[in-house]
Amino acid sequence: GENVEQHPSTLSVQEGDSAVIKCTYSDSASNYFPWYKQELGKRPQLIIDIRSNVGEKKDQRIAVTLNKTAKHFSLHITETQPEDSAVYFCAASGGNNRLAFGKGNQVVVIP
Amino acid sequence: EAGVAQSPRYKIIEKRQSVAFWCNPISGHATLYWYQQILGQGPKLLIQFQNNGVVDDSQLPKDRFSAERLKGVDSTLKIQPAKLEDSAVYLCASSQKGQNTEAFFGQGTRLTVV
Repeated sequence: GENVEQHPSTLSVQEGDSAVIKCTYSDSASNYFPWYKQELGKRPQLIIDIRSNVGEKKDQRIAVTLNKTAKHFSLHITETQPEDSAVYFCAASGGNNRLAFGKGNQVVVIP
Repeated sequence: EAGVAQSPRYKIIEKRQSVAFWCNPISGHATLYWYQQILGQGPKLLIQFQNNGVVDDSQLPKDRFSAERLKGVDSTLKIQPAKLEDSAVYLCASSQKGQNTEAFFGQGTRLTVV
């Protein structure tokens, strides 16, 4: 099955700086790559997703890039704010809607 | 639109006891997932339903875990007997029919086995 790895496990950034989280996946058949944000004690919520027919997608301060050849994708958060502090999970899925999640990255935005 | 509902929110049981969790997905969502999230880790898929049929249960410990979605709507996940390592948050999620649609998560049930 699909195996998703996330790096780094913890990321601390100064408010206003950018944060980048990278994920790799193992199954070349995967074609859907969502990112979920989970605040402490709350449910994971989708923040952005990308499908394999595009290389980049942007939504305000958040962007995701996908490199199918290298089988990795990244989440970029610009102009970080304290409310961006959370755990971010990447996931990958093929045509069966089976979402495999990475272990998560703790992002800490320092005011 | 109402979200995914789960109950109970918290449960504490002794090892070797039984426990059941309930999930009501978003209305009209054909796909329902049960995930196990151990503290500090990502959600791990236990079982995936499409309507009332099982799509994937390859990571479900079938000697102690069972799940059903009899009418293709609500679902229950049962653990019998529980072990200490089953302590985790059990998340239910649902998505619309179709390829790679957004999965919406419930608040989860936090299980502590003592």
